Amino acid sequence: QLQLQESGPGLVKPSETLSLTCNLSGGSVTSSSHYWAWIRQAPGRGLEWIANMFHYESTYYNPSLKSRIATSVDTSKNQFSLNLTSVTAADTAVYYCARRGTTLNYGSFDLWGQGVMVTVSS
Amino acid sequence: DIQMTQSPSTVSASVGDRVTVTCRASQSISYWMAWYQQKPGKAPKVLISKATSLESGVPSRFSGSGFGTDFTLTISSLQPDDFATYFCQQYNSYPLTFGGGTRVEIK
Repeated sequence: QLQLQESGPGLVKPSETLSLTCNLSGGSVTSSSHYWAWIRQAPGRGLEWIANMFHYESTYYNPSLKSRIATSVDTSKNQFSLNLTSVTAADTAVYYCARRGTTLNYGSFDLWGQGVMVTVSS
Repeated sequence: DIQMTQSPSTVSASVGDRVTVTCRASQSISYWMAWYQQKPGKAPKVLISKATSLESGVPSRFSGSGFGTDFTLTISSLQPDDFATYFCQQYNSYPLTFGGGTRVEIK
């Protein structure tokens, strides 16, 4: 069964780096038909797209976060990752990994992880 | 960035009611619009993509319409399982953006 699962620390100190990993089971991150994405949702708030990545190129970042984001895809482990540097309380959110198609006809997020809550606090 | 303005923010309705949620894009997105349903503590689930295309397994009481800048999600006869928050999202251009959400609550 195709499934995404996020992992990472639930608590990060201000100014430190938030590191999350998303593991894909039942499929391959080398799919030529899909982007792998990160989306977050602050408590009681809406959804904010963070980044899309392809397994070898075509990474897109939200300009509002671009200076603090690094992403990678590890094909050997069938997972992809997000690093967000210099975090503040404003980065407290549920972080989701997700999948979307590489063509507009399949451009919605059709597969989501369950989400991981990350709190930024000292 | 394309801003997505969703309304209303909350709608109170009863089982069997027809519910309409609207989303306006700040510039044309053609029909590259998706609608999601989110229940508390869960990830969003895509209901409709390409403005009008119902995703597999989604009940036919859900429908989408619109093109360009104005879009609508309609639930023709609200069921108990439909009480949730709904989000629109444009994927016409980066950065991908979502509407603020519409909470459908029990009247």
